Amino acid sequence: QVQLVESGGGVVQPGRSLRVSCAASGFTFSNFAMHWVRQAPGKGLEWVAVISSDGSRKNYADSAKGRLTISRDNSKDTLYLQMDSLRTEDTAVYYCARDLAATYPEYFQHWGQGTLVTVSS
Amino acid sequence: DIQMTQSPASLSASVGDRVTITCRASQTINNYLNWYQQKPGKAPKLLIYATSSLQGGVPSRFSGGGSGTDFTLTISSLQPEDFATYYCHQSYSFPWTFGQGTKVEIK
Repeated sequence: QVQLVESGGGVVQPGRSLRVSCAASGFTFSNFAMHWVRQAPGKGLEWVAVISSDGSRKNYADSAKGRLTISRDNSKDTLYLQMDSLRTEDTAVYYCARDLAATYPEYFQHWGQGTLVTVSS
Repeated sequence: DIQMTQSPASLSASVGDRVTITCRASQTINNYLNWYQQKPGKAPKLLIYATSSLQGGVPSRFSGGGSGTDFTLTISSLQPEDFATYYCHQSYSFPWTFGQGTKVEIK
């Protein structure tokens, strides 16, 4: 069955960097677009970024542009989110999600359990 | 950006009740409207995609409808395991956006 396991969350100071990962199993990772979605404590869901199955196409939320970078390593079945110049408003649970499609994303078909990133001094 | 507005923000209902949640988009999104259920401390779960298609394994008491800018999620007979927060989501254009959520509570 599809499994997505996020890791790498933790407490980080404002202005610092952090990389979170999502290890995929139970499906052919290289055949699907992947997303990051975040949820601030007690708040709703916010889409962050998407990457196509081959990594050639990426899209970002305005809040992520220039600071958050999505990438993937299909040889390791792993999705990444590099987060630079972190702000307190980036504090959230970060979920990875698998799309239905490879190139033109459609919806979040499967979700990981999330990893908490806390930006605080 | 396309704004998604859900109503109500919360509702109280009893087991067996019929519940309808509405979602309005700020512009037409064709049928690129999806619904997710989230329970406390858990990841969201896909219920309905493309307005009215039921994800595999989701009970048939859940249904979706609508078109253009106005959409609905209906639970025909509320069950104890349905108490959760529900989110609509548009995948018509980037940036993808969610409604603010509807919390369904026990009356």
